[in-house]
Amino acid sequence: DVKVTQSSRYLVKRTGEKVFLECVQDMDHENMFWYRQDPGLGLRLIYFSYDVKMKEKGDIPEGYSVSREKKERFSLILESASTNQTSMYLCASRPNEGSYNEQFFGPGTRLTVL
Amino acid sequence: GNSVTQMEGPVTLSEEAFLTINCTYTATGYPSLFWYVQYPGEGLQLLLKATKADDKGSNKGFEATYRKETTSFHLEKGSVQVSDSAVYFCALMNAGGTSYGKLTFGQGTILTVHP
Repeated sequence: DVKVTQSSRYLVKRTGEKVFLECVQDMDHENMFWYRQDPGLGLRLIYFSYDVKMKEKGDIPEGYSVSREKKERFSLILESASTNQTSMYLCASRPNEGSYNEQFFGPGTRLTVL
Repeated sequence: GNSVTQMEGPVTLSEEAFLTINCTYTATGYPSLFWYVQYPGEGLQLLLKATKADDKGSNKGFEATYRKETTSFHLEKGSVQVSDSAVYFCALMNAGGTSYGKLTFGQGTILTVHP
């Protein structure tokens, strides 16, 4: 079974703090994704990575950065957390082989910024 | 650009009722279509998918047919159970090229099933 793990289920941070969200997958997938999930808005893509050290902006990258130093790990960084970044963050991974392969999701991190 | 529109929720049904959740899309080319489900406290998991027009995806009693002429992918189940209570997301993917399998999601529909 594919396993995507996220470092925390719940996180509480203060405005202005630097926040790291970690995601690890164990299936040697090339592609990894970070989404945020907000009620009524569905999932919106923040950033994705198609290879080690490669990244591309998604639909809402402002206020975020990412790092992919190893194939299995994809980190989301909030350089200076703000209250409007309070949300559920979901990580996903997907292999390159096969054009229609699904994405596999982690359990999510619910981040609250006070 | 791509977009996915789902019916407004939440949806509340009694056990054994018939379920339909509408999904329509706008996309270039020939996208693949997916339904993902999120049970309480969990991440998303794939429920079913269809990769070309007129394909029918099915799983756990749920079905959806890829209708290119109406750009729709409505989710149906003949008899829902309490355990089907979850959030359901419709999504599309443009395969190939530099898409890298990016998904565009609808806003999600909360389903609650009462005994």
